[in-house]
Amino acid sequence: NAGVTQTPKFQVLKTGQSMTLQCAQDMNHEYMSWYRQDPGMGLRLIHYSVGAGITDQGEVPNGYNVSRSTTEDFPLRLLSAAPSQTSVYFCASSYADQQGFRRGYTFGSGTRLTVV
Amino acid sequence: AQTVTQSQPEMSVQEAETVTLSCTYDTSESDYYLFWYKQPPSRQMILVIRQEAYKQQNATENRFSVNFQKAAKSFSLKISDSQLGDAAMYFCAYRSGVLNSGYALNFGKGTSLLVTP
Repeated sequence: NAGVTQTPKFQVLKTGQSMTLQCAQDMNHEYMSWYRQDPGMGLRLIHYSVGAGITDQGEVPNGYNVSRSTTEDFPLRLLSAAPSQTSVYFCASSYADQQGFRRGYTFGSGTRLTVV
Repeated sequence: AQTVTQSQPEMSVQEAETVTLSCTYDTSESDYYLFWYKQPPSRQMILVIRQEAYKQQNATENRFSVNFQKAAKSFSLKISDSQLGDAAMYFCAYRSGVLNSGYALNFGKGTSLLVTP
């Protein structure tokens, strides 16, 4: 089924560890993004990309790194995990044109990350 | 950046009744899109309904409809004939229609909807 695939679904990290959250989409969407969801805060944009080789920061980029080497994949790297990064992470994608604007995003199923 | 405000952290409705969730937004743009997303306990983000700012007619999807007041910058969601499966967190979101604007969806903080039998 076409869509956005996120792995893993759950992860526990120790403070200072690094890891990569994976995101892949098979819809040929130009636009991909990472959000984090915290209780009472809604979803906040971490990083986004409008195409392979192009990335930019969102509202809360500190402590995260991204790259986009292919249209399909947009991994999110935590360089040195901190308890403040405990959250649910969503990857989302869309076409980067008026069609994409009208349709909104397609979301992955999320990754629940706990940093202890 | 555009801000989206959902002033009701929690709402409750009885099964088969109607409930309205509020959303206001702040923008200086004339071209934009508004969305309501539903997030059940499964955590999946599900698009409920969308509205293009240039359309005067309010969007409707089965039991879900919106009241879009562009001048007032208000975008409320009405759920008719509420069902137990409607219980979820609902997020209002704004997206600029300006190309190369960053494409971000700006979310409100959400409204938790409880449906009672």
